[in-house]
Amino acid sequence: DAMVIQNPRYQVTQFGKPVTLSCSQTLNHNVMYWYQQKSSQAPKLLFHYYDKDFNNEADTPDNFQSRRPNTSFCFLDIRSPGLGDAAMYLCATSRGQVDTDTQYFGPGTRLTVL
Amino acid sequence: DAKTTQPTSMDCAEGRAANLPCNHSTISGNEYVYWYRQIHSQGPQYIIHGLKNNETNEMASLIITEDRKSSTLILPHATLRDTAVYYCIVRVGYGGATNKLIFGTGTLLAVQP
Repeated sequence: DAMVIQNPRYQVTQFGKPVTLSCSQTLNHNVMYWYQQKSSQAPKLLFHYYDKDFNNEADTPDNFQSRRPNTSFCFLDIRSPGLGDAAMYLCATSRGQVDTDTQYFGPGTRLTVL
Repeated sequence: DAKTTQPTSMDCAEGRAANLPCNHSTISGNEYVYWYRQIHSQGPQYIIHGLKNNETNEMASLIITEDRKSSTLILPHATLRDTAVYYCIVRVGYGGATNKLIFGTGTLLAVQP
């Protein structure tokens, strides 16, 4: 089945140690998104790629970066994780249509910062 | 900020219909209403979306008022597996070929046996 895959499902890192989260998709969608969801809160969009074009949300900290080397893969890099970055990180994809465009989410990666 | 308001929580008896309301009084004419749900510790799952007309699929029905200022998601026969947070979202377009989902606080639906 076509899907959005996130690895790993659980990631533990140390304070200040760079970490990379991975997302891949078999849907061949143009757009890939990264959301952050802290405990008991709604998902919050960090940034997205439309093909190779990167679009950052205005309030996304500089500590968060992203790479999309090809259509199928997208990475979230946290350069110096702080305790406040502990959260579920969700990847989503969509075709990128103008009118009706549905986003499909992966299962998420839960990040713990020690 | 999210453009929708929803009750914080609701209960529903198993096998009964669950009706989840959503207010979106500032919705624009070309903005769609989307519903997603998130079961604990999983990624959000798409349920249904609509613009003006009522919509139905294998998961749910979406009823949008004529003035489009509110909508109701209906799960016709709720099961315990439908316990989740349900998000009503008005899609904000970038003006290009991408969309932006701004999640509100959602409604925690608890289906009771």
